[in-house]
Amino acid sequence: GESVGLHLPTLSVQEGDNSIINCAYSNSASDYFIWYKQESGKGPQFIIDIRSNMDKRQGQRVTVLLNKTVKHLSLQIAATQPGDSAVYFCADHQGGKLIFGQGTELSVKP
Amino acid sequence: SAVISQKPSRDICQRGTSLTIQCQVDSQVTMMFWYRQQPGQSLTLIATANQGSEATYESGFVIDKFPISRPNLTFSTLTVSNMSPEDSSIYLCSVEEGWSRDTQYFGPGTRLTVL
Repeated sequence: GESVGLHLPTLSVQEGDNSIINCAYSNSASDYFIWYKQESGKGPQFIIDIRSNMDKRQGQRVTVLLNKTVKHLSLQIAATQPGDSAVYFCADHQGGKLIFGQGTELSVKP
Repeated sequence: SAVISQKPSRDICQRGTSLTIQCQVDSQVTMMFWYRQQPGQSLTLIATANQGSEATYESGFVIDKFPISRPNLTFSTLTVSNMSPEDSSIYLCSVEEGWSRDTQYFGPGTRLTVL
């Protein structure tokens, strides 16, 4: 079936380094993708989105890359800070609904 | 983005009882969604709630177990009925916003523990 999956369940980085979180999707017809950050005890927080007619979008310290050829997207966080520690989910918009990946837990070491 | 609140923020319930979770939005929205997030897991859509119509449930979720109300454009409730320990999860509501109305923003969630 259609699914959105993540390559790695956990990622540990040193404070100040760049982080890269990956996500694979299977529905070639998907046209919209969202990255969410979920801190412990909170609801998912919108970070950045990208549509299928783009291959890159930048925000504040975050960049999302979309490779439609291999159905892969990534979230890059520049100069990772302790406050970035959270679980990150990618979500694929399909048929009016969001399909979530399993999540990557990002841990930032001081 | 809209400000979304949920009540209660957490609860501990006995099996066999029911709990109604409220979701309040500070602006009028057409689409509201209810999700379940089991411990250590991702989010799974339970149902989509439009104002003035019955909720649309996803595979594996039924109205008798998760009745939903949507009386107006700023409010919705989800009831978890006849609870069992397997219902222990975080329940989240979300709303759809953005210029193309496909970006979802989430409430803080309701953490439910069933004993």
